[in-house]
Amino acid sequence: KAGVTQTPRYLIKTRGQQVTLSCSPISGHRSVSWYQQTPGQGLQFLFEYFSETQRNKGNFPGRFSGRQFSNSRSEMNVSTLELGDSALYLCASSLATGDQETQYFGPGTRLLVL
Amino acid sequence: AQSVAQPEDQVNVAEGNPLTVKCTYSVSGNPYLFWYVQYPNRGLQFLLKYITGDNLVKGSYGFEAEFNKSQTSFHLKKPSALVSDSALYFCAVRPRYSSASKIIFGSGTRLSIRP
Repeated sequence: KAGVTQTPRYLIKTRGQQVTLSCSPISGHRSVSWYQQTPGQGLQFLFEYFSETQRNKGNFPGRFSGRQFSNSRSEMNVSTLELGDSALYLCASSLATGDQETQYFGPGTRLLVL
Repeated sequence: AQSVAQPEDQVNVAEGNPLTVKCTYSVSGNPYLFWYVQYPNRGLQFLLKYITGDNLVKGSYGFEAEFNKSQTSFHLKKPSALVSDSALYFCAVRPRYSSASKIIFGSGTRLSIRP
């Protein structure tokens, strides 16, 4: 079974631009979560989607948004990029959204904002 | 506030020796506990999780973790380290009756295995 895939793997943008990242979950998984990983802040939760509905949202500004499609694929968008948005963005999928679920992570998209 | 602590930023072990990566947590109730490993330029890979039952949990790549409720700890262990075990290890905790995304990660411990 294929794992979680994320595209693109690497991105370089400039301040003020916007970016869209894509995540395809493991087949059959309906929950997708997004995390931002930086050396200083560690892993921070962005948002979670389940069956096309946003279930939870972390403490990020409105410039960060996401959506999930009917095939469970998810996208996240960051508008008006800032230097501090440079990070590894990780997507994780799980079968459902319960407390015993194991999340499986993709390889991440490394975003560099210049 | 709920939190996870990995008190060691780095752990250095000689190949063939046993290794321990420490994790303690401060989460109310009986949370679920996880360990993930991250290799350079890769995402997190699931190693093992504790849900209930036996306090010793066996996972991937020969790793195991010991749950200690009284000490609120969930230390990761391996009897004999390999150079290929060198990576960044994250302990994570999820409160019971929460959603999948309500997972709290520790700051990570870099494990370095010398030949």
